[in-house]
Amino acid sequence: DTAVSQTPKYLVTQMGNDKSIKCEQNLGHDTMYWYKQDSKKFLKIMFSYNNKELIINETVPNRFSPKSPDKAHLNLHINSLELGDSAVYFCASSYGQVESNEQFFGPGTRLTVL
Amino acid sequence: GNSVTQMEGPVTLSEEAFLTINCTYTATGYPSLFWYVQYPGEGLQLLLKATKADDKGSNKGFEATYRKETTSFHLEKGSVQVSDSAVYFCALSVNTGGFKTIFGAGTRLFVKA
Repeated sequence: DTAVSQTPKYLVTQMGNDKSIKCEQNLGHDTMYWYKQDSKKFLKIMFSYNNKELIINETVPNRFSPKSPDKAHLNLHINSLELGDSAVYFCASSYGQVESNEQFFGPGTRLTVL
Repeated sequence: GNSVTQMEGPVTLSEEAFLTINCTYTATGYPSLFWYVQYPGEGLQLLLKATKADDKGSNKGFEATYRKETTSFHLEKGSVQVSDSAVYFCALSVNTGGFKTIFGAGTRLFVKA
C-alpha cells in the first residue's frame, strides 16, 4: 500500500500547454507539500497546505496553482508551461505543524517541457 | 535567515570505507535536523533525525550528532556498502511564523565494490 502516491510518473509536453499532477496520501496526515527538484538535485519548497489551507507559497509563479480538495489530496496545476518548468516534482506529507516531524515523499513526477 | 550547507559531491568511496558528509546550518529559533536519502528514481526518505542539541540520530549504521556550538550535523558511517550509493540531503525544520523545512543541495555518494 503506497503511502504517498503521485500521478503521472512521467509527463512530456509542449511549451504553452496546461498540465496537472495529482498527489494522494493514505497516512492520515494533515499537511502536504509540493517540491521542485532541478537537474542538479536541488530541492525547493513550492507550497504547503495544512488541513486544506495554504500555509506556504514560496514566490512561485502564478502559473502554478495548487488545489487541495481534502486533507488527503494536493494537486498541482501548471498553466502555460515553459522550458524552465522541466524538473522532478515531489509531493510530500507530514503530521501536524511540528518541526520535529518527518516528511514522507512520493516517488516524484518527471516533467519534461519541449 | 535559515539555510543548510553541505559538502559538494560526488563522493566516491570503496566498499567498507568510512564516510563523512559535512552539514552546517544557520537558523533562527531551535530547529530540528534531518538527514534524508534519495535512491535512484525514488523520492526522499528519512534516514535519521535529531530534535535538540547533543541528540544523536542513528539508523542503518549511519549517525549524526546535533552540535549547537558548531551549528553542524555531520553524517557518518563506519563501513559503507554498495547499496548506500544514493544522494544524501541534510535538512532543518523550524517554525518561524510558518512551519518550513529547508534542504541542503544534496551530496551524491558512489560506493565501488
